[in-house]
Amino acid sequence: GAGVSQSPRYKVAKRGQDVALRCDPISGHVSLFWYQQALGQGPEFLTYFQNEAQLDKSGLPSDRFFAERPEGSVSTLKIQRTQQEDSAVYLCASSLEGTGRTSTDTQYFGPGTRLTVL
Amino acid sequence: AQKITQTQPGMFVQEKEAVTLDCTYDTSDQSYGLFWYKQPSSGEMIFLIYQGSYDEQNATEGRYSLNFQKARKSANLVISASQLGDSAMYFCAMREWGGADGLTFGKGTHLIIQP
Repeated sequence: GAGVSQSPRYKVAKRGQDVALRCDPISGHVSLFWYQQALGQGPEFLTYFQNEAQLDKSGLPSDRFFAERPEGSVSTLKIQRTQQEDSAVYLCASSLEGTGRTSTDTQYFGPGTRLTVL
Repeated sequence: AQKITQTQPGMFVQEKEAVTLDCTYDTSDQSYGLFWYKQPSSGEMIFLIYQGSYDEQNATEGRYSLNFQKARKSANLVISASQLGDSAMYFCAMREWGGADGLTFGKGTHLIIQP
C-alpha cells in the first residue's frame, strides 16, 4: 500500500517568501506529525494532529509556522516570511491510532521536503 | 540535558559482522516507548523496532534486536549479519506517554558497512 507522501521534495525560497509544504498520510491514519531535521541532526518535533484537531503545537519555533489538516487527512505546513535558519528537511509522519500506548503507535515517515532559504 | 544520547557519531563494520548501536535515554516517566529508525541517504525514516517500557522481553524483528536494560536506561540496537544495504544513519527515539506527543530523537549514528 501507499506510504506517506510529501510534496514538493525540494523547495528553494528567497528570504521573506512564504512556502507551503504538503503531506499525504497513510490512508486511515488518525495521527499526523510534523518534524524539522537540520543538517546532521535528528528530527525535532513541531506539531501533532489527531484527525483535524491540532492537539500539540509546542514544537513550532515561531508564529511564522502554521499547520493545518482541515479534513483530517492531507496536512499543510506553512512558513511565512522564511528566514535562512528555516533551511532544513521537513518530515511528516502518520500513525494508525491516537497517541496511545501500543506498538501501533509507530510513526511512519514520508521522504521529507528539503527547504533551502537563500 | 539530552533525553536521548547516541555516543557513536560514526561506525565502520565489516560485512557479515554483528553491530551494536548504543542508545541511552533519560526520563522520569514510568510509561514510555523506545524506537529505532534507519535513514538512508534518500532521506526517508524507516521504522525498525519498538520496545515498550513494560515489555519484559527484548524486541526482535528479523535481523534487528533491541537490548533493553531498563535499570541502566539503555536501549541498544543489535544488527546481526550486517549487509552492505545496512549503511545508513540510525536514530534512537523515545516517546514519553506523559510528555509531548511527538518523538524525541538522538543525534544519530552513521553506520558504514565495508565489504
